[in-house]
Amino acid sequence: DTGVSQDPRHKITKRGQNVTFRCDPISEHNRLYWYRQTLGQGPEFLTYFQNEAQLEKSRLLSDRFSAERPKGSFSTLEIQRTEQGDSAMYLCASSRGLVGTEAFFGQGTRLTVV
Amino acid sequence: AQTVTQSQPEMSVQEAETVTLSCTYDTSESDYYLFWYKQPPSRQMILVIRQEAYKQQNATENRFSVNFQKAAKSFSLKISDSQLGDAAMYFCAYRSPYSGGGADGLTFGKGTHLIIQP
Repeated sequence: DTGVSQDPRHKITKRGQNVTFRCDPISEHNRLYWYRQTLGQGPEFLTYFQNEAQLEKSRLLSDRFSAERPKGSFSTLEIQRTEQGDSAMYLCASSRGLVGTEAFFGQGTRLTVV
Repeated sequence: AQTVTQSQPEMSVQEAETVTLSCTYDTSESDYYLFWYKQPPSRQMILVIRQEAYKQQNATENRFSVNFQKAAKSFSLKISDSQLGDAAMYFCAYRSPYSGGGADGLTFGKGTHLIIQP
């Protein structure tokens, strides 16, 4: 499968624990995005990478959140000291070429904080 | 900041009939991109159709077409000959042509849940 893959698909964690999610974009895509989607809402933009550079961070991305994309390939999103409000679906998307081209989404990681 | 509004939380249509999903947006930009994405249950979001604001011609993709009214800031999706596989959440999204300063990434509406009645 050559689409965007995310791991794990589901994560249940206790409040206060740290969690890390991984995203593998389509191999030739230089742009990578993270979104958060809560129940009944559309996805909300969190952060954006162009190659290995993190160029944009939403104000939704608190200090407890950090994202990396070493070598411009896969990306990780870490949440430290998780809170119940962090429970959501975390989506990764990738694209290439000019701004406004199609973004391809992964199936997401569903995080439940108990 | 741009906003996207989908005023129909849920729509229902008989199989083989036509349904229109509405979307309005607010922006001060003159050039931008608009998208409709489909999110089936437990599956990834996929692009249905894309419109560039500078193009007056409405985009079409097989049974899917849009009615893009730039002055009214309206971007509705028409699905003709509805099929059971069309059942999903549909999200309207906006993308600025710029980068940086909060412009990166898509701005989504809250979605419309489309039900297809057999």
